[in-house]
Amino acid sequence: QVQLVQSGAEVKKPGASVKVSCKASGYNFTKYYMHWVRQAPGQGLEWMGIIKPSDGNTNSAEKFEGRFTMTRDTSTSAVYMELNSLISEDTAVYYCARDRAILPQTDWGTFDIWGQGTMVTVSS
Amino acid sequence: DIQMTQSPSSLSASVGDRVTITCRASQSIANYVNWSQQKPGKAPNLLIYDASSLQSGVPSRFSGSGSGTDFTLTISSLQPEDFATYYCQQTYSAPLTFGGGTKVEIK
Repeated sequence: QVQLVQSGAEVKKPGASVKVSCKASGYNFTKYYMHWVRQAPGQGLEWMGIIKPSDGNTNSAEKFEGRFTMTRDTSTSAVYMELNSLISEDTAVYYCARDRAILPQTDWGTFDIWGQGTMVTVSS
Repeated sequence: DIQMTQSPSSLSASVGDRVTITCRASQSIANYVNWSQQKPGKAPNLLIYDASSLQSGVPSRFSGSGSGTDFTLTISSLQPEDFATYYCQQTYSAPLTFGGGTKVEIK
């Protein structure tokens, strides 16, 4: 079945970096965009960015530009997100989520499959 | 950025009740709105896309309506498994943004 499996929880110190993986299975990996969304404890959802697995092109929210990177590995059907210069406010569950648009459609933005989430805790 | 304002932030209802949640966009966004449900400790689950299209596998008691700036999610007869938090989200333009959520609790 279609699923996204993320890497495990991380605990990082302020100023450090974190890299989270998301492995896709059950569908053609290069045919669907992938997003990253985060949720701070007890808070709402925040979109971080999107990657097009077929060519690696990305688009991220301005808030994260400069310290947020998304990459993909088509040989393993995995996407990665790396967040640098961590601060306590980055403590959150990070989700990858597949877009329902099938490439080459460009009308992206709807998340139809989600990973289980990865808790990232930033604490000294 | 487009702001999505949901109301109410929480509500109490009984099984069998009709529940309505509203979402207002800070500018006109045609029908570019989705609704998702999230249960504690779980990832969100897509219910409605493009304002009124029911996602495959979602019960027909869920429906969505609206266009422009005002949108509604309706649960026609609340079931025990529907107690959760609901989010609207706009897909009109990046950055994608969400409403603050509506927590539906048992009365």
